[in-house]
Amino acid sequence: QKEVEQNSGPLSVPEGAIASLNCTYSDRGSQSFFWYRQYSGKSPELIMSIYSNGDKEDGRFTAQLNKASQYVSLLIRDSQPSDSATYLCAVRKDTNAGKSTFGDGTTLTVKP
Amino acid sequence: NAGVTQTPKFQVLKTGQSMTLQCAQDMNHNSMYWYRQDPGMGLRLIYYSASEGTTDKGEVPNGYNVSRLNKREFSLRLESAAPSQTSVYFCASRDRGPYGYTFGSGTRLTVV
Repeated sequence: QKEVEQNSGPLSVPEGAIASLNCTYSDRGSQSFFWYRQYSGKSPELIMSIYSNGDKEDGRFTAQLNKASQYVSLLIRDSQPSDSATYLCAVRKDTNAGKSTFGDGTTLTVKP
Repeated sequence: NAGVTQTPKFQVLKTGQSMTLQCAQDMNHNSMYWYRQDPGMGLRLIYYSASEGTTDKGEVPNGYNVSRLNKREFSLRLESAAPSQTSVYFCASRDRGPYGYTFGSGTRLTVV
């Protein structure tokens, strides 16, 4: 079993719809959770961080964390074509080393 | 511009050749990381440096060595390149605390 698993994808939604991206993790000691966006041929860019159970909203993005179920999700409201990218889920134990483990990513396409 | 700078951006090596990938950050971050990304896959940790003067192996360290030259610079060396090392290499850094990574723009390496 992989440490971090994401929807196999690809995911396609129409413009204006809600895109839902899911991630599960196996290590119950994980304490920090991140979503990165990666455009084709570019480097990953941090878009959301979440550390406690519940929802965290930032503009059109909402991250949801449920530690009991070992589940993290990212919702993108009013999806735009510019949201088309691969989204990487990452988890981390907050030791001094702070190294993150990444999922394989889910590719999202938003169709105009 | 502030951030993480990687050089070179592209490189083609012949099997058995050696090279060093350079990474420098100007954000005064303590921790630095080297990841590789293969098609359709997430990021896999090669080596990391939790702080200046320390380095540790990640998930896939075989065939690589690293040097944390100072707080700013963290280099990755391939001593004898193999086709299996064809990949995109990303350097990342982060500050103390529960923060995510800032990534460099990547090095696209092909070993023939």
